[in-house]
Amino acid sequence: AAGVIQSPRHLIKEKRETATLKCYPIPRHDTVYWYQQGPGQDPQFLISFYEKMQSDKGSIPDRFSAQQFSDYHSELNMSSLELGDSALYFCASSRWREGLYNEQFFGPGTRLTVL
Amino acid sequence: AQTVTQSQPEMSVQEAETVTLSCTYDTSESDYYLFWYKQPPSRQMILVIRQEAYKQQNATENRFSVNFQKAAKSFSLKISDSQLGDAAMYFCAYRSVSRSGGSNYKLTFGKGTLLTVNP
Repeated sequence: AAGVIQSPRHLIKEKRETATLKCYPIPRHDTVYWYQQGPGQDPQFLISFYEKMQSDKGSIPDRFSAQQFSDYHSELNMSSLELGDSALYFCASSRWREGLYNEQFFGPGTRLTVL
Repeated sequence: AQTVTQSQPEMSVQEAETVTLSCTYDTSESDYYLFWYKQPPSRQMILVIRQEAYKQQNATENRFSVNFQKAAKSFSLKISDSQLGDAAMYFCAYRSVSRSGGSNYKLTFGKGTLLTVNP
């Protein structure tokens, strides 16, 4: 079965540079979530999109922006990178079905290292 | 806002033995989901088991079972016949039951419990 695809899997950037992380949800999934997991930390919710509209927002810095495109893939844009942005970034997708359990399926993550 | 607390940063168990990981949570909602996720060294997030708050029966998945105490807001994970492959970080997580498309589905995680399985 198809899974959530994230690219790139690893990314190394310098401070103050920009980075773009991409997420391709499972086919027919209409919702995407982004989580950030710092070293030794639990995943923290950043932002989510449903049907190409932002549906919820968590502790996402103003330097970060994201969107979901017409083909439902999503991109997380990170500017003015800081050392503290080094983390594993997960994307998860789900399909909304009213009245039913809608499981989130996680991608393998993108490991971002800021030097 | 909901919070999830895992009071055991680390646990260890002998192979073939049973171990229980603890989790408590705080919420004002009456309906919600609770989860246990496993994160092995590969860092992939793997769903182990889920519990729906309106169901009184504890969820079971093969060697994994939960003890869900809604009034006490407690949600522990029991792993029976522990195997070396069970060694991982385990996260307890909370999710609301959304009434509209795509909203309030974010997962709130605890800090995790690192489980070591000794041969």
